[in-house]
Amino acid sequence: KNEVEQSPQNLTAQEGEFITINCSYSVGISALHWLQQHPGGGIVSLFMLSSGKKKHGRLIATINIQEKHSSLHITASHPRDSAVYICAVKGYGYQFYFGTGTSLTVIP
Amino acid sequence: KAGVTQTPRYLIKTRGQQVTLSCSPISGHRSVSWYQQTPGQGLQFLFEYFSETQRNKGNFPGRFSGRQFSNSRSEMNVSTLELGDSALYLCASSAGTGGDTQYFGPGTRLTVL
Repeated sequence: KNEVEQSPQNLTAQEGEFITINCSYSVGISALHWLQQHPGGGIVSLFMLSSGKKKHGRLIATINIQEKHSSLHITASHPRDSAVYICAVKGYGYQFYFGTGTSLTVIP
Repeated sequence: KAGVTQTPRYLIKTRGQQVTLSCSPISGHRSVSWYQQTPGQGLQFLFEYFSETQRNKGNFPGRFSGRQFSNSRSEMNVSTLELGDSALYLCASSAGTGGDTQYFGPGTRLTVL
């Protein structure tokens, strides 16, 4: 049983499309993180959420604590957005649980 | 500020050997977490250190251990290496106040032959 479930696993979009990646979790959390991993391994933390919504440029992240669900939206997608997006939750005991990732390819 | 650094970046070992990986956090960060990433299991939490104390540990065998020094630098050790230990090992640092942003290093790619 996975504490964090992500969907879809793979996503291909045309440049300019609106993209949504979903994350559901089953544990109590202190925070939820969205991570971006480009080929080669480097991971960047995009957002940390404990409630509500955050926006950074073309990226928007939302979380619904009651439903234990979060979404990452990318508006006006661009080929440089191609990466693996990983949802991670931090439990109350400081342990991280990770989703399996969503591999996004944006085609010019 | 300099980012999180990990050494070495690549490592090849044989079964039965042991290995030590190093992580230098961002200056001022007191928390260092270690993760293992494999194609089959994805990212998995190994352990977190805060102010030289292990604050939490993931579900890994005792062959995996770590420590943190007074300057917040951390080392991770894997003894009696197995083929399945081949992975990308990532460390991340944060201020350590709980639920704060983590900054990841580039990782150490370990190959066990």
